[in-house]
Amino acid sequence: AQRVTQPEKLLSVFKGAPVELKCNYSYSGSPELFWYVQYSRQRLQLLLRHISRESIKGFTADLNKGETSFHLKKPFAQEEDSAMYYCALTYNNNDMRFGAGTRLTVKP
Amino acid sequence: EAQVTQNPRYLITVTGKKLTVTCSQNMNHEYMSWYRQDPGLGLRQIYYSMNVEVTDKGDVPEGYKVSRKEKRNFPLILESPSPNQTSLYFCASSLDMSTSYNEQFFGPGTRLTVL
Repeated sequence: AQRVTQPEKLLSVFKGAPVELKCNYSYSGSPELFWYVQYSRQRLQLLLRHISRESIKGFTADLNKGETSFHLKKPFAQEEDSAMYYCALTYNNNDMRFGAGTRLTVKP
Repeated sequence: EAQVTQNPRYLITVTGKKLTVTCSQNMNHEYMSWYRQDPGLGLRQIYYSMNVEVTDKGDVPEGYKVSRKEKRNFPLILESPSPNQTSLYFCASSLDMSTSYNEQFFGPGTRLTVL
C-alpha cells in the first residue's frame, strides 16, 4: 500500500543551524512527491515539488529512489521557518497521501 | 482573488444531526478533494472529484458523502455525524491531477465538533 512516513512529529533547532525533515515513502511505481507547509494561522500551501528540482525559501529536497526518501533540507534555519511540514505523495494521477506531519520549531 | 472557500469555519453540533460543509473554488479547477486533519495522523483524504459528476472514495470515506453537481462546488455531507468525526476539515482544489506540476490549493479549514 502507498504510504508516507514522517518519523519525527516534533523537531527543534536553533536559528542558523541546519535542518532536515525526514520523509520516506512506499510506492512501487514512479512517485510524485511534494512538501506542503502550514504556517501559524495560515492555509496549507505547497512548498516545493520534486519534479521541479527547485529551491524555495532556501529549502531543497532530493528524491532518493534507492532509499525511498524525500527529505527536506535547509542549511541555515530561520525563525520564520517554524511551521508544520507535510510530505505528500501522489500516485495514479488521482490519489494523494500525506504524512503525519512534522512540527518544526526554530529557536532564536 | 483566486481562492478556495469553506463554510462554516467553525461548527459545534450533536450526534445524528445532518450537516453540510460547503466548499467553493473560483479557479475553474477540475479536481477537488476533502481531507480531515487529526493530531498524529496528519491529513487523510475523505473523497475526491476529478470533474463534475465524478467522485471517488479516498482513504477514510465512511460516514461522509459528497456531490459535484457544478465545477466550482464540492460540499461535504455528514448524514448522521458521530463524535469520531470531530476534526479539522480541509477542502482543496487543483487544475487537474494529471501532471506532476499541479499544486493543490487549500481552503482555510472547518473545525467541526460533534457532541
